[in-house]
Amino acid sequence: DGGITQSPKYLFRKEGQNVTLSCEQNLNHDAMYWYRQDPGQGLRLIYYSQIVNDFQKGDIAEGYSVSREKKESFPLTVTSAQKNPTAFYLCASSIVGRASGNTIYFGEGSWLTVV
Amino acid sequence: GDSVTQMEGPVTLSEEAFLTINCTYTATGYPSLFWYVQYPGEGLQLLLKATKADDKGSNKGFEATYRKETTSFHLEKGSVQVSDSAVYFCALVISSGSARQLTFGSGTQLTVLP
Repeated sequence: DGGITQSPKYLFRKEGQNVTLSCEQNLNHDAMYWYRQDPGQGLRLIYYSQIVNDFQKGDIAEGYSVSREKKESFPLTVTSAQKNPTAFYLCASSIVGRASGNTIYFGEGSWLTVV
Repeated sequence: GDSVTQMEGPVTLSEEAFLTINCTYTATGYPSLFWYVQYPGEGLQLLLKATKADDKGSNKGFEATYRKETTSFHLEKGSVQVSDSAVYFCALVISSGSARQLTFGSGTQLTVLP
C-alpha cells in the first residue's frame, strides 16, 4: 500500500541523548514535512524539504536537525539542545505545484518521551 | 499572512445530534480548503476537501462548502456517532509552487456521548 511510514511509534530519550525518528514515503512526493504536536495543541512546523538535498527551517527548528538524501526518506534528529522534546511528532508529504488541491498526507506519528 | 481560525472546543454532543464546527480563513491567494480528523494517538487523516469557491466536499456523512464570500469552510454532520469522537483540523493550502503551503487551524476536540 502507498503511504507514509514512521518509526518507531514510541521512543524514550534520556537527558543529553540525540534520537532519530524515521519517515519513509512511497507516494513519489517531492515535499516532506515534520510537525510537532503537544497534548491538546495544534501542529507546529519543524522542518520541510521540497527536493532532495535541500530543506528549510519551519517555525520551531531549534534543537532539531534533518537530512534529505533520498526522495523517499526524511529523518528527524531530536538533539540534546532541544530542552523540551516530549511530544507527538508527525511526518507528512505532498506534491508541490501550482495546481489546486495539493493534499498533504500524514504518517501515524511517533511519541517521544524524555525519561 | 495566511491564517485559519477554528471554533474553540471542546465540543460535546449526544449521539445523533447535529454537528457544526466553524472554520474561517484569510489568504492572500486562492486556497484549497481541507478538513482533517485525528483519532486518539494517531496521525491526521484527510476527511474532505474543496478546491474552489462553492465546491462541497463530503465524506462519511460530513460535509463542508467553500464559501468565498464569507471566507468560511464550516464542517457539518447531520447525525454524529460515538465513533466520530476525535480532533478536527481545518486547513488551507496555497498552491504557489512552494512546499511551505499548508496552514492549520488549532483543532477542535469533539466528544460524542452515547
